[in-house]
Parts: sequence; structure tokens; C-alpha cells
Amino acid sequence: QKEVEQDPGPLSVPEGAIVSLNCTYSNSAFQYFMWYRQYSRKGPELLMYTYSSGNKEDGRFTAQVDKSSKYISLFIRDSQPSDSATYLCAMSEGAGSYQLTFGKGTKLSVIP
Amino acid sequence: GAVVSQHPSRVICKSGTSVKIECRSLDFQATTMFWYRQFPKQSLMLMATSNEGSKATYEQGVEKDKFLINHASLTLSTLTVTSAHPEDSSFYICSATSGSPYEQYFGPGTRLTVT
Repeated sequence: QKEVEQDPGPLSVPEGAIVSLNCTYSNSAFQYFMWYRQYSRKGPELLMYTYSSGNKEDGRFTAQVDKSSKYISLFIRDSQPSDSATYLCAMSEGAGSYQLTFGKGTKLSVIP
Repeated sequence: GAVVSQHPSRVICKSGTSVKIECRSLDFQATTMFWYRQFPKQSLMLMATSNEGSKATYEQGVEKDKFLINHASLTLSTLTVTSAHPEDSSFYICSATSGSPYEQYFGPGTRLTVT
């Protein structure tokens, strides 16, 4: 079993829809959870990061972490065509470790 | 803020030659920089971690003599792919962090093609 599992999609939704992206993980030592957005042939862009369990909201984006279930989510409200990209979850154990473990990414297309 | 640049963005080289890729943090001092490799439809795989003025720490399976990393200053790290082979063709991405180790800022990537 891989450390981080992420459905690669592709996921196609109409403009204005609510999008739910998810990752599961097996390493209970992960403490920090990040979401990155990557456009084609570009480097990843940090969207949000969350420490431990809980929710975090930033504009149209909400990140949720459920450590008991080893499950994290990213919700995008009122999705826009400009949100079309690949979304990567990433996790870190913290405690001095900088290493990030990435999911494979979910490719999202928002159709006008 | 938090801008990381990479140069070149794309490079084509012949098998057996060496290629150097630069990674710069433009508006902050990067205490730690990371080098990743990404194959098509695959996730980012960490190759090595470098701290300014120290030797890089390589991940298991990454040949340190083939992928030479130099972190000469708080704003510059370089990755040199020595004696490149076609199987080294990939998308190489660097990231940098300052202060908060969990906020890594990525460069735009360098696409290497070895013919």
C-alpha cells in the first residue's frame, strides 16, 4: 500500500459546481497536510496547509483533515474554469522533517 | 512574495553530456532547498534536500555522483546531471523554504530531454 493514495481522475465538472478532492494515507505520523495546484508544465503552487485535524478556509477553498480516518479533503466552491489544473495533496511528519510525501494528483477540468 | 525561479525552463542535450539547472529564491532567503523529479502522470519524487553550505542529503536510490547538488548561498542551489542518459529525461522541479518548513514554494520546473 502506498503511503498516500489520491484518485487521479480525471474529474470534470460544470462551472459553479462544488468540487471535492480527497486523499487517504497510511502513515499516522503525518502532522502537516498541504494542497498544491499544478498547471500543465508548471511547478506546484501551494494553496493551503493545515496542521493536525480540523478545517481551514481560504476564500472558495476549504481544507479538511480527519486524522482518525487518515483522510483529507479539499473543497472548491463556485468552481471556475481557471481552477482547471491538477491538485496534489502532500503530507509531512513535521518534528524537524521537511520531507513531503505527495499523492499522484487529481486532474480537474471545470467546463464553462 | 515567495517566488522561486528555475533556469533553464527547457533543455535538450546529447547522451553523455552534463547539464546544470539553477534554482533561485527571488524574494526570500531559502535555508533549505529541495530537488524533485516528476515523470508524466506521476507524482513528485524527492531526490535530495540541500541546506546552504552543507552537503546535500539524497533519497534512497538517487545516485549522488550522478546528480550533483550545490547550495552555495541562501538564494541559489544548482543541480548538475552528469553523463546524462535518455532515462534521465524528466521534469525537474526545485522548491525552497524559509522559516516554516511546511510551506515549500516551487519553481516552474525544467524539462530535460536527453537524446
